[in-house]
Amino acid sequence: DQQVKQNSPSLSVQEGRISILNCDYTNSMFDYFLWYKKYPAEGPTFLISISSIKDKNEDGRFTVFLNKSAKHLSLHIVPSQPGDSAVYFCAASEDNNDMRFGAGTRLTVKP
Amino acid sequence: DVKVTQSSRYLVKRTGEKVFLECVQDMDHENMFWYRQDPGLGLRLIYFSYDVKMKEKGDIPEGYSVSREKKERFSLILESASTNQTSMYLCASREGTGPIGNTIYFGEGSWLTVV
Repeated sequence: DQQVKQNSPSLSVQEGRISILNCDYTNSMFDYFLWYKKYPAEGPTFLISISSIKDKNEDGRFTVFLNKSAKHLSLHIVPSQPGDSAVYFCAASEDNNDMRFGAGTRLTVKP
Repeated sequence: DVKVTQSSRYLVKRTGEKVFLECVQDMDHENMFWYRQDPGLGLRLIYFSYDVKMKEKGDIPEGYSVSREKKERFSLILESASTNQTSMYLCASREGTGPIGNTIYFGEGSWLTVV
C-alpha cells in the first residue's frame, strides 16, 4: 500500500524551461513533506521541504507547493538546468515518525 | 555537515551467506533507517530505530534483521541472502525533533549483488 505516489516515472524538459514534478499522498495525517534528489550511485540528498501549515516554500530556483485538500504536492524548478537531471523522490512524514517515499521521477533536462 | 557512512559500497555474496551492512552517523541523531531502492519501486523502508536497542519494522522487513547497540551505529543483517535481495541499500539518520529535525540524511548507498 503506497502512501506516497509519483505517477510519472520520467519527465523531459528543455533547458531554461520550467520542470514540474508531481506527488500525491493518501495519509491525511502526514504533516511534513520533502523532496530529495538522487544521482546514480549516490545517496539521495535533501532538496526542499514544506510543513503542512504552509502551502508554498521557495528556495532559489526550487519551489514546493502543497495542496492539502487534494493531498497533492509539486516541485517546480525554474529555470531548469542540465545539472538538474536526476531522479527526484517525494517523501512524507507523520509526527516525526518513519518517512515514506514515492517511486521517484527521472528528470532529464536537455541543453 | 551530517555524515552518514556506509562501510561497504559494493558487495557480492553467495546465496545463503550471512551479510552485514554497517552504517555510522556522526551527528548524535536519535533516528536511523534502512531503505532499499529498486527500479520502479523507489525507496522502501526495511527497518528503523528510534533509539539504542529500539527497532521497528518498516514495509518490507522479511528476510532482514537489524541491530542498534550504540546510538551512532545501525546494522542491517541478511541472515541468509537470496537473489531477490540484490539491490541498493541506503542508510539514513534523522535528529527526530522539530521541523528541521524531520529532515533525514542518507549515506552513499551499498550495492549488494547476491549470486
